[in-house]
Amino acid sequence: GEDVEQSLFLSVREGDSSVINCTYTDSSSTYLYWYKQEPGAGLQLLTYIFSNMDMKQDQRLTVLLNKKDKHLSLRIADTQTGDSAIYFCAERDTGFQKLVFGTGTRLLVSP
Amino acid sequence: DGGITQSPKYLFRKEGQNVTLSCEQNLNHDAMYWYRQDPGQGLRLIYYSQIVNDFQKGDIAEGYSVSREKKESFPLTVTSAQKNPTAFYLCASSGTGVQAAFFGQGTRLTVV
Repeated sequence: GEDVEQSLFLSVREGDSSVINCTYTDSSSTYLYWYKQEPGAGLQLLTYIFSNMDMKQDQRLTVLLNKKDKHLSLRIADTQTGDSAIYFCAERDTGFQKLVFGTGTRLLVSP
Repeated sequence: DGGITQSPKYLFRKEGQNVTLSCEQNLNHDAMYWYRQDPGQGLRLIYYSQIVNDFQKGDIAEGYSVSREKKESFPLTVTSAQKNPTAFYLCASSGTGVQAAFFGQGTRLTVV
């Protein structure tokens, strides 16, 4: 079955760049997504990338996709304390049309 | 405003009681999902529905039931058969195109 893996924790200083990594297994995924979850809240869609793209940039966010290695990354430039949250990557299962989420990476930004 | 509404935000129930969590969306999305999140863990899929009057079990469906009688609504019942129901429950929906899921604010269920 599908499996999406992420590192559990990342700590950076304010102003630095953050890079959150994700690996997935479904090579036929059409879309891959990044979500942000703040404490006690639902998930907020940050950005997404179509599987035929290598890179997508959206303001401070850059998504890189390596289809050969099934590796997805999210780079946050000029990280702020307000970026502290849990970040989830997700892939869409093309067979059953369901979303499969990673375990989430907790990003801690210190002043 | 368009979105997904989960209610209530907090719910307390006694052990052995069934409880139903509400999820309503006005995004005109066909697909709806229920996920469970435990502290420090990712999301696990309970049930999903791609269309009205049809739904499929996810990875952890035991002890839960759903219905999809209306496009806008996808209620989740946590039955007494669910051995460890205390968790944060998230409802989501998705449409066509990019098919990204949009989430409600969650319901925190505590069973005492």
